Amino acid sequence: NAGVMQNPRHLVRRRGQEARLRCSPMKGHSHVYWYRQLPEEGLKFMVYLQKENIIDESGMPKERFSAEFPKEGPSILRIQQVVRGDSAAYFCASSPGLEYYGYTFGSGTRLTVV
Amino acid sequence: AQTVTQSQPEMSVQEAETVTLSCTYDTSESDYYLFWYKQPPSRQMILVIRQEAYKQQNATENRFSVNFQKAAKSFSLKISDSQLGDAAMYFCAYQEFSGAGSYQLTFGKGTKLSVIP
Repeated sequence: NAGVMQNPRHLVRRRGQEARLRCSPMKGHSHVYWYRQLPEEGLKFMVYLQKENIIDESGMPKERFSAEFPKEGPSILRIQQVVRGDSAAYFCASSPGLEYYGYTFGSGTRLTVV
Repeated sequence: AQTVTQSQPEMSVQEAETVTLSCTYDTSESDYYLFWYKQPPSRQMILVIRQEAYKQQNATENRFSVNFQKAAKSFSLKISDSQLGDAAMYFCAYQEFSGAGSYQLTFGKGTKLSVIP
Protein backbone atom coordinates (compact mmCIF):
# COMPACT_ATOMS: atom_id res chain seq x y z
CA ASN A 1 0.00 0.00 0.00
CA ALA A 2 2.13 2.85 -1.34
CA GLY A 3 1.92 6.20 0.39
CA VAL A 4 1.67 9.57 -1.29
CA MET A 5 4.15 9.52 -4.18
CA GLN A 6 5.79 12.70 -5.40
CA ASN A 7 8.17 13.05 -8.30
CA PRO A 8 10.66 14.12 -9.08
CA ARG A 9 12.33 14.25 -5.71
CA HIS A 10 14.72 16.94 -6.90
CA LEU A 11 14.18 19.33 -9.78
CA VAL A 12 16.57 21.95 -11.10
CA ARG A 13 15.30 24.63 -13.45
CA ARG A 14 16.86 27.72 -14.96
CA ARG A 15 15.13 31.05 -14.48
CA GLY A 16 12.30 31.42 -16.96
CA GLN A 17 11.70 27.68 -17.44
CA GLU A 18 8.62 25.76 -16.40
CA ALA A 19 8.48 23.35 -13.47
CA ARG A 20 5.95 20.52 -13.28
CA LEU A 21 5.60 18.67 -9.99
CA ARG A 22 3.57 15.49 -9.79
CA CYS A 23 1.68 13.93 -6.91
CA SER A 24 -0.05 10.55 -6.83
CA PRO A 25 -2.29 10.32 -3.75
CA MET A 26 -2.70 7.22 -1.65
CA LYS A 27 -5.01 4.59 -3.09
CA GLY A 28 -8.60 5.51 -2.38
CA HIS A 29 -7.79 9.15 -1.62
CA SER A 30 -9.56 11.72 -3.77
CA HIS A 31 -8.52 14.89 -1.95
CA VAL A 32 -5.13 16.52 -2.52
CA TYR A 33 -3.40 19.44 -0.82
CA TRP A 34 -0.23 21.23 -1.93
CA TYR A 35 2.07 23.02 0.53
CA ARG A 36 5.31 24.95 0.07
CA GLN A 37 8.21 25.01 2.51
CA LEU A 38 10.68 27.83 2.15
CA PRO A 39 14.12 27.46 3.81
CA GLU A 40 13.97 27.68 7.62
CA GLU A 41 10.16 27.91 7.52
CA GLY A 42 7.18 25.72 8.21
CA LEU A 43 4.90 24.51 5.44
CA LYS A 44 2.41 26.97 3.97
CA PHE A 45 -0.86 25.99 2.31
CA MET A 46 -1.17 26.60 -1.40
CA VAL A 47 -4.18 24.78 -2.85
CA TYR A 48 -6.78 22.08 -2.17
CA LEU A 49 -8.21 19.96 -4.98
CA GLN A 50 -10.67 17.17 -5.44
CA LYS A 51 -10.89 15.16 -8.64
CA GLU A 52 -11.35 17.63 -11.53
CA ASN A 53 -12.07 20.52 -9.14
CA ILE A 54 -10.09 23.23 -7.41
CA ILE A 55 -11.83 23.79 -4.09
CA ASP A 56 -9.57 26.29 -2.30
CA GLU A 57 -6.69 28.12 -3.96
CA SER A 58 -6.44 30.91 -1.42
CA GLY A 59 -2.73 30.20 -0.82
CA MET A 60 -1.65 30.14 -4.46
CA PRO A 61 0.35 33.06 -5.86
CA LYS A 62 -1.84 34.92 -8.32
CA GLU A 63 0.53 34.55 -11.25
CA ARG A 64 2.61 31.74 -12.77
CA PHE A 65 1.26 29.02 -10.45
CA SER A 66 -1.50 26.57 -11.36
CA ALA A 67 -2.68 23.17 -10.16
CA GLU A 68 -4.87 20.41 -11.49
CA PHE A 69 -6.13 17.01 -10.41
CA PRO A 70 -7.58 15.26 -13.46
CA LYS A 71 -10.00 12.39 -13.44
CA GLU A 72 -7.17 10.06 -14.36
CA GLY A 73 -3.54 10.47 -13.37
CA PRO A 74 -1.64 12.43 -10.77
CA SER A 75 -2.18 15.93 -9.47
CA ILE A 76 0.15 18.44 -11.12
CA LEU A 77 1.51 21.68 -9.67
CA ARG A 78 2.82 23.84 -12.49
CA ILE A 79 5.07 26.85 -12.11
CA GLN A 80 5.67 28.90 -15.23
CA GLN A 81 8.67 31.18 -15.78
CA VAL A 82 10.32 30.18 -12.53
CA VAL A 83 12.31 32.71 -10.50
CA ARG A 84 14.90 32.22 -7.74
CA GLY A 85 12.27 32.89 -5.08
CA ASP A 86 10.38 29.78 -6.19
CA SER A 87 13.20 27.59 -4.84
CA ALA A 88 11.58 25.57 -2.06
CA ALA A 89 10.34 22.13 -1.10
CA TYR A 90 6.84 21.43 -2.38
CA PHE A 91 4.77 18.90 -0.50
CA CYS A 92 1.64 17.10 -1.51
CA ALA A 93 -0.77 15.50 0.95
CA SER A 94 -3.87 13.39 0.43
CA SER A 95 -6.91 12.28 2.37
CA PRO A 96 -9.92 10.08 1.64
CA GLY A 97 -12.35 12.88 2.37
CA LEU A 98 -12.91 16.29 3.87
CA GLU A 99 -11.95 15.59 7.42
CA TYR A 100 -9.77 16.50 10.34
CA TYR A 101 -7.09 13.86 10.41
CA GLY A 102 -3.80 15.53 9.67
CA TYR A 103 -3.64 13.97 6.26
CA THR A 104 -0.74 11.93 4.83
CA PHE A 105 2.16 13.79 3.26
CA GLY A 106 4.51 12.77 0.47
CA SER A 107 8.28 13.24 0.71
CA GLY A 108 8.23 16.44 -1.26
CA THR A 109 9.92 17.80 -4.36
CA ARG A 110 12.84 20.13 -3.82
CA LEU A 111 12.86 22.73 -6.58
CA THR A 112 16.07 24.65 -7.16
CA VAL A 113 16.05 27.58 -9.58
CA VAL A 114 19.47 28.53 -10.92
CA ALA B 1 -5.67 34.75 10.42
CA GLN B 2 -4.57 31.90 12.64
CA THR B 3 -0.94 31.89 13.76
CA VAL B 4 1.19 29.18 15.34
CA THR B 5 4.29 30.13 17.33
CA GLN B 6 7.14 27.85 18.29
CA SER B 7 9.43 29.93 20.46
CA GLN B 8 12.32 27.44 20.61
CA PRO B 9 14.24 27.32 17.31
CA GLU B 10 16.56 24.62 18.68
CA MET B 11 16.51 22.21 21.60
CA SER B 12 18.76 19.39 22.74
CA VAL B 13 18.22 16.44 25.02
CA GLN B 14 20.36 13.64 26.40
CA GLU B 15 19.46 10.19 25.20
CA ALA B 16 16.91 8.53 27.54
CA GLU B 17 15.94 11.89 29.06
CA THR B 18 12.69 13.84 28.64
CA VAL B 19 12.22 17.02 26.62
CA THR B 20 9.28 19.35 26.12
CA LEU B 21 8.72 21.41 22.96
CA SER B 22 6.50 24.48 23.23
CA CYS B 23 3.76 25.71 20.90
CA THR B 24 1.18 28.46 21.20
CA TYR B 25 -1.49 29.39 18.71
CA ASP B 26 -3.99 32.13 18.15
CA THR B 27 -7.59 31.50 17.14
CA SER B 28 -11.10 32.70 17.84
CA GLU B 29 -12.59 29.30 17.00
CA SER B 30 -13.72 26.69 19.52
CA ASP B 31 -13.59 23.66 17.22
CA TYR B 32 -10.23 22.76 15.72
CA TYR B 33 -7.43 20.19 15.69
CA LEU B 34 -3.80 20.44 16.71
CA PHE B 35 -0.91 18.31 15.51
CA TRP B 36 2.77 17.69 15.97
CA TYR B 37 4.69 16.61 12.89
CA LYS B 38 8.24 15.30 12.75
CA GLN B 39 10.48 16.05 9.77
CA PRO B 40 13.75 14.08 9.76
CA PRO B 41 16.55 14.86 7.28
CA SER B 42 14.75 12.66 4.75
CA ARG B 43 12.21 15.52 4.56
CA GLN B 44 9.22 13.19 5.05
CA MET B 45 6.50 14.81 7.17
CA ILE B 46 5.47 12.26 9.80
CA LEU B 47 2.42 12.73 12.00
CA VAL B 48 3.45 12.25 15.62
CA ILE B 49 0.28 13.05 17.55
CA ARG B 50 -3.01 14.91 17.22
CA GLN B 51 -5.43 16.53 19.66
CA GLU B 52 -9.08 17.43 19.16
CA ALA B 53 -9.90 20.76 20.80
CA TYR B 54 -13.20 19.49 22.22
CA LYS B 55 -11.41 16.74 24.17
CA GLN B 56 -10.09 17.70 27.58
CA GLN B 57 -7.95 14.60 27.88
CA ASN B 58 -4.40 15.03 26.62
CA ALA B 59 -3.41 12.77 23.73
CA THR B 60 -0.64 10.21 24.16
CA GLU B 61 1.17 7.98 21.67
CA ASN B 62 3.74 5.72 23.29
CA ARG B 63 6.64 7.97 24.35
CA PHE B 64 4.93 11.10 23.00
CA SER B 65 2.33 13.08 24.92
CA VAL B 66 0.89 16.57 24.81
CA ASN B 67 -0.10 19.16 27.36
CA PHE B 68 -3.11 20.90 25.83
CA GLN B 69 -4.21 24.06 27.61
CA LYS B 70 -7.16 25.39 25.60
CA ALA B 71 -7.72 28.59 27.56
CA ALA B 72 -4.05 29.48 27.30
CA LYS B 73 -3.92 28.32 23.64
CA SER B 74 -0.89 26.22 24.42
CA PHE B 75 0.00 22.80 22.98
CA SER B 76 3.34 21.42 24.11
CA LEU B 77 4.88 18.08 23.13
CA LYS B 78 6.68 15.92 25.67
CA ILE B 79 9.06 13.22 24.45
CA SER B 80 10.01 10.70 27.11
CA ASP B 81 12.98 8.32 27.02
CA SER B 82 14.45 10.22 24.06
CA GLN B 83 16.09 8.12 21.36
CA LEU B 84 18.64 9.01 18.68
CA GLY B 85 15.94 8.51 16.06
CA ASP B 86 13.90 11.33 17.60
CA ALA B 87 16.38 13.89 16.26
CA ALA B 88 14.48 15.95 13.69
CA MET B 89 12.59 19.17 13.07
CA TYR B 90 9.29 19.22 14.93
CA PHE B 91 6.41 21.31 13.64
CA CYS B 92 3.30 22.26 15.54
CA ALA B 93 0.24 22.67 13.32
CA TYR B 94 -3.33 23.94 13.68
CA GLN B 95 -6.27 22.89 11.53
CA GLU B 96 -9.78 24.20 11.15
CA PHE B 97 -12.34 24.42 8.40
CA SER B 98 -11.63 27.46 6.26
CA GLY B 99 -14.26 29.69 4.75
CA ALA B 100 -13.04 28.67 1.30
CA GLY B 101 -13.97 25.02 1.83
CA SER B 102 -10.89 23.19 3.01
CA TYR B 103 -9.16 21.99 6.14
CA GLN B 104 -5.89 23.87 5.87
CA LEU B 105 -3.00 23.23 8.20
CA THR B 106 -1.19 26.28 9.62
CA PHE B 107 2.33 25.42 10.71
CA GLY B 108 4.79 26.98 13.13
CA LYS B 109 8.37 27.57 12.05
CA GLY B 110 9.62 24.45 13.78
CA THR B 111 11.97 23.37 16.54
CA LYS B 112 15.14 21.50 15.67
CA LEU B 113 15.67 18.75 18.22
CA SER B 114 19.10 17.21 18.72
CA VAL B 115 19.60 14.05 20.78
CA ILE B 116 22.95 13.72 22.51
CA PRO B 117 24.24 10.15 22.94
